[in-house]
Amino acid sequence: QLVLTQSPSASASLGASVKLTCTLSSGHSRYAVAWLQQQPEKGPRYLMQVNSDGSHTKGDGIPDRFSGSSSGAERYLTISSLQSEDEADYYCQTWGPDIRVFGGGTKLTVL
Amino acid sequence: QVQLQQWGAGLLKPSETLSLTCAVYGGSFSGYYRSWIRQPPGRGLEWIGDIDHTGSTNYNPSLKSRVVISVDTSKKQFSLNLTSVTAADTAVYYCARGLSTSYWGQGTLVTVSS
Repeated sequence: QLVLTQSPSASASLGASVKLTCTLSSGHSRYAVAWLQQQPEKGPRYLMQVNSDGSHTKGDGIPDRFSGSSSGAERYLTISSLQSEDEADYYCQTWGPDIRVFGGGTKLTVL
Repeated sequence: QVQLQQWGAGLLKPSETLSLTCAVYGGSFSGYYRSWIRQPPGRGLEWIGDIDHTGSTNYNPSLKSRVVISVDTSKKQFSLNLTSVTAADTAVYYCARGLSTSYWGQGTLVTVSS
């Protein structure tokens, strides 16, 4: 069964960096994921797609502070030089032959 | 620039049918999956289903018996119908383009209440 696992919460200080993790279920380690940002009271915004080889394709206008990487079944979103507007929920999402799955989301608090 | 604009009724009674439509402006219409996703209040995102360029559909197994997604290529629009709604279907509904959901509509709050 295709499942994505995310930590419910994360926190980091203003100006620091944070690395969010999305873990693919067993047998699905080659799947790509998309990272989405949802700021309070707003709709989701596509950040990037991260492939199993670590390559990533960003969405329109996504700052260089956002980057993606991969290791095994884990897909990462790294945000550097944290700003207050980065405080948001971050979701990963993947897709199989007949199924699409979202992770439970990570709530990022910028201290 | 790709933009998705969606519309539909925001208040339904139990047992009624939810109907939403999403129009795609800019970019390719036919070359991508067209998806519907929802988010209950205070909760995470849930995939409802999608339709590809051939008109072939995929649905969330938990909703499959009540969902139909269709497309009107001439108008560059696709639609969601969800039958027999209950309070559990209260959510913000989003349309999106592509398997990686690289573009999203603005969302429509649908409330089911008697």
